[in-house]
Amino acid sequence: GAGVSQTPSNKVTEKGKYVELRCDPISGHTALYWYRQSLGQGPEFLIYFQGTGAADDSGLPNDRFFAVRPEGSVSTLKIQRTERGDSAVYLCASSINTNSYNEQFFGPGTRLTVL
Amino acid sequence: DAKTTQPNSMESNEEEPVHLPCNHSTISGTDYIHWYRQLPSQGPEYVIHGLTSNVNNRMASLAIAEDRKSSTLILHRATLRDAAVYYCIPGETSGSRLTFGEGTQLTVNP
Repeated sequence: GAGVSQTPSNKVTEKGKYVELRCDPISGHTALYWYRQSLGQGPEFLIYFQGTGAADDSGLPNDRFFAVRPEGSVSTLKIQRTERGDSAVYLCASSINTNSYNEQFFGPGTRLTVL
Repeated sequence: DAKTTQPNSMESNEEEPVHLPCNHSTISGTDYIHWYRQLPSQGPEYVIHGLTSNVNNRMASLAIAEDRKSSTLILHRATLRDAAVYYCIPGETSGSRLTFGEGTQLTVNP
């Protein structure tokens, strides 16, 4: 079946611009996670949605970062006034969230480059 | 979050077993031990998880120390496709973040 998809796969933007990154989770998965990964590092948690609401947004680095999931499926990560330090691979994951073990399924990521 | 210590890199030959260690001495009593791996240019993928007992699945085995302060991921016969960064992650079973460290880069030689 279809896995987690992310668009675009690559995004190049200029410092100060606004960007939106999209995540399509696996159908039926109620939990959705955003992570970002800098070169040579492990992924770093940003935000977790359960349904439409953000259950944990403690990983968002500052108020330039915002994410939404209005219908409990697709999610958009929004970054305002991008900075060169925002350059990273942004990963999305989803899980089904039942009472049994819920592994996270990751998408291929969006590589963001801020010039 | 519990702190983990893993070797930066390990090397193996194809068809041989690989033992990937992880120290997690500050793990809480209710945390599971999750292992994920990340192949080049891909997102991480789940490998295995356990609480106290050793676990086996089609991908690997997980050996957990009796005091739960360390664990070992075992790949019984490494293949070239197993070359990846392997992450050991203590945490809850679901509904929460995964806290990745830097992991172990496994190289598999033909």
